[in-house]
Amino acid sequence: NAGVTQTPKFRVLKTGQSMTLLCAQDMNHEYMYWYRQDPGMGLRLIHYSVGEGTTAKGEVPDGYNVSRLKKQNFLLGLESAAPSQTSVYFCASKPARELNEQFFGPGTRLTVL
Amino acid sequence: GQNIDQPTEMTATEGAIVQINCTYQTSGFNGLFWYQQHAGEAPTFLSYNVLDGLEEKGRFSSFLSRSKGYSYLLLKELQMKDSASYLCAVVDSNYQLIWGAGTKLIIKP
Repeated sequence: NAGVTQTPKFRVLKTGQSMTLLCAQDMNHEYMYWYRQDPGMGLRLIHYSVGEGTTAKGEVPDGYNVSRLKKQNFLLGLESAAPSQTSVYFCASKPARELNEQFFGPGTRLTVL
Repeated sequence: GQNIDQPTEMTATEGAIVQINCTYQTSGFNGLFWYQQHAGEAPTFLSYNVLDGLEEKGRFSSFLSRSKGYSYLLLKELQMKDSASYLCAVVDSNYQLIWGAGTKLIIKP
């Protein structure tokens, strides 16, 4: 039981490049989340999903897209990376709406030059 | 708007006790979490309060007052490994987590 995993762990991009971050969970959780964490700020929600085939915008969705084609996977895409997207990205999941504890992946540290 | 306030940084001595406060104003309330986050790592669950009062778990305790929009995390018998950031997060009316910026706790020998 690996829990929540994220790929890759580190990445450096040039401005304008694209990439996809992969989040996978083996706990059969319905809800999945993408957050970004910047120094001096709390975790900010980018996008989330309440089940396979669904996605919704969070607090800071601009510049990102997501897909949840399979229940266990939640992908975060950057179509044209900008230096403002330099951050640490965390994926999280939870079983159901009223079960509030979220389980986190190890994070992806992204630098955009 | 929604707002969660906690001190940016605190310093304490090994073996001592420290209290980290969190105040919140959110649209609805369905519980409050404390997470611990070591540098370069993911947040990990510490405690969850949904009713008023104190929850104790070993060296860590968490208190909640819903009427005051206030919580604290109490850490006893501090150890060097407790050096970390402590994140307060409130579950709002949509069952989303609203996060504070975190309190960096520095433990000195």
